[in-house]
Amino acid sequence: QKEVEQDPGPLSVPEGAIVSLNCTYSNSAFQYFMWYRQYSRKGPELLMYTYSSGNKEDGRFTAQVDKSSKYISLFIRDSQPSDSATYLCATEGNTGGFKTIFGAGTRLFVKA
Amino acid sequence: EAGVVQSPRYKIIEKKQPVAFWCNPISGHNTLYWYLQNLGQGPELLIRYENEEAVDDSQLPKDRFSAERLKGVDSTLKIQPAELGDSAVYLCASSPGLAGGPETQYFGPGTRLLVL
Repeated sequence: QKEVEQDPGPLSVPEGAIVSLNCTYSNSAFQYFMWYRQYSRKGPELLMYTYSSGNKEDGRFTAQVDKSSKYISLFIRDSQPSDSATYLCATEGNTGGFKTIFGAGTRLFVKA
Repeated sequence: EAGVVQSPRYKIIEKKQPVAFWCNPISGHNTLYWYLQNLGQGPELLIRYENEEAVDDSQLPKDRFSAERLKGVDSTLKIQPAELGDSAVYLCASSPGLAGGPETQYFGPGTRLLVL
């Protein structure tokens, strides 16, 4: 079992839709949770960063962490064609040194 | 401010040949990471440097892979000899290295390697 599981998609939605992206993780020692966005032929860029359980909002993006169920979510409101990318969830914790574990990424297509 | 620079962007080689990738991190960033990203997968850490010291190289296949960061600035990752299964994107990232814990990592565009 992978430490971070993520549905690879692809996920195709019309412009303006609300997008929900999800991950599960297995190690309860993970304390930090991130979402990265990766455009085609580019490196990942950090989108959201949360610590422990709860919600964090940044513009059209909301990250949600439920540590009791080891579930991570990213919601995108009013999705735009420019949001079309691969979204990678990632976790990190002091499991013998801090190390970032990435999910496989979900490919998102937002149709105009 | 310039981001993480990697070269070459693309490389095609025949199996058993050597190959090297270069990374220049963001100025002032002490921590440097090399990741491997296979198609349809997330990045996997190969090695992490704190200045010139490799502090986590547990996932680096040391029989064929080597890395160096001699002056604690830019870094080189080498594969010798390359195998077909090494075809992937090699990503370099850097972070300030000041927090003593998790930090935002800034990624370069990657080097796309194809081994024939």
